[in-house]
Amino acid sequence: QQQVKQSPQSLIVQKGGISIINCAYENTAFDYFPWYQQFPGKGPALLIAIRPDVSEKKEGRFTISFNKSAKQFSLHIMDSQPGDSATYFCAASNLSGGATNKLIFGTGTLLAVQP
Amino acid sequence: EPEVTQTPSHQVTQMGQEVILRCVPISNHLYFYWYRQILGQKVEFLVSFYNNEISEKSEIFDDQFSVERPDGSNFTLKIRSTKLEDSAMYFCASTPPMSGTKNIQYFGAGTRLSVL
Repeated sequence: QQQVKQSPQSLIVQKGGISIINCAYENTAFDYFPWYQQFPGKGPALLIAIRPDVSEKKEGRFTISFNKSAKQFSLHIMDSQPGDSATYFCAASNLSGGATNKLIFGTGTLLAVQP
Repeated sequence: EPEVTQTPSHQVTQMGQEVILRCVPISNHLYFYWYRQILGQKVEFLVSFYNNEISEKSEIFDDQFSVERPDGSNFTLKIRSTKLEDSAMYFCASTPPMSGTKNIQYFGAGTRLSVL
């Protein structure tokens, strides 16, 4: 029940295209859903996050869509650029359930944006 | 921009040896975490630390693991007797004290531990 399932494992998109990565969770206690971006040799860095009281959040070219009833959320990268090539991790946390706020990560998606 | 610093970037050790991985969290942060990522797998939570004590630990964090904040700035992860399966990238993370941003975890670049 603590798992977060992520797909696809890898994704190739042409420059200017839309990249879509999907995640699903089971634990209804999760109330915070961030996406992290990781470049080779670097640690994960927060990209964008959403709470379950909204169905969509947009920051620049990055949008999270959230479906509470389906327990799914997705990351959309509009106008994908070669510089977006990285590994993307979805994650979930229970912020209201305790002090630890540990992140449960998905398995990651390796995105390659071809010029 | 402040960042979480981890040293060393790569640690090679023999099986059965003790290793200490070091982290310097962002200076005003109060919550600290260790995660690990086995090559090709997802990032997994190990332990969280607040107010000088462990607040939660995962099943992975057994008696061979310990954490310490020895001097108010460093945050260390010790593995007493390393096993081959401890080979992974270990990430330190920290979060700031303000409630609105408490959930943002800032990650270091990681220490790659290779157990031979």
